Amino acid sequence: NAGVTQTPKFQVLKTGQSMTLQCAQDMNHEYMSWYRQDPGMGLRLIHYSVGAGITDQGEVPNGYNVSRSTTEDFPLRLLSAAPSQTSVYFCASSVSFSDQPQHFGDGTRLSIL
Amino acid sequence: AQTVTQSQPEMSVQEAETVTLSCTYDTSENNYYLFWYKQPPSRQMILVIRQEAYKQQNATENRFSVNFQKAAKSFSLKISDSQLGDTAMYFCAFTDGGSNYKLTFGKGTLLTVNP
Repeated sequence: NAGVTQTPKFQVLKTGQSMTLQCAQDMNHEYMSWYRQDPGMGLRLIHYSVGAGITDQGEVPNGYNVSRSTTEDFPLRLLSAAPSQTSVYFCASSVSFSDQPQHFGDGTRLSIL
Repeated sequence: AQTVTQSQPEMSVQEAETVTLSCTYDTSENNYYLFWYKQPPSRQMILVIRQEAYKQQNATENRFSVNFQKAAKSFSLKISDSQLGDTAMYFCAFTDGGSNYKLTFGKGTLLTVNP
């Protein structure tokens, strides 16, 4: 099993460009989440999904869109990139039981110029 | 809203010694779960240990153990026989019993193990 796979690992964008960060998991997990990690801020939840077709906002959703058409995939879209979105992005997935830990991808380092 | 506080931005320890990282949290929930994650320079998020709030016994995983004080809302991590490979950022995280997909993280503690 590959676990949680994020692509790309690194990306540089110009302000105003759009892009999609990909996240895929092969563990049949219901729950998937996107976090961003900024220096001194820990990880903060952007959006999450409890199953295919169901998404909701986390702590810092502005500027990001998500969709969940399949159990496996949970892409994160930046419609018009801003320098404030420079960050490391992590995708995570978990089963539906609260005592089970989340599995994290290796992260995407995104720089907005 | 739940909050997680790690009051030690940086710590250092000599190899083979013991170090304790602090974490406090605030919640009105009675059923919840606490985790410590390790993030080495490779950037991976690695689960170190987890604790269920309804369990009084402190969790232990090899050299890692926690001191869970539910009334004080404290969840510290003790690393025994520190190794150079323990050098990493350590994050304390919280989730309530109904939302495993929503972790609330502390800001992290950078631990350096010196030879």
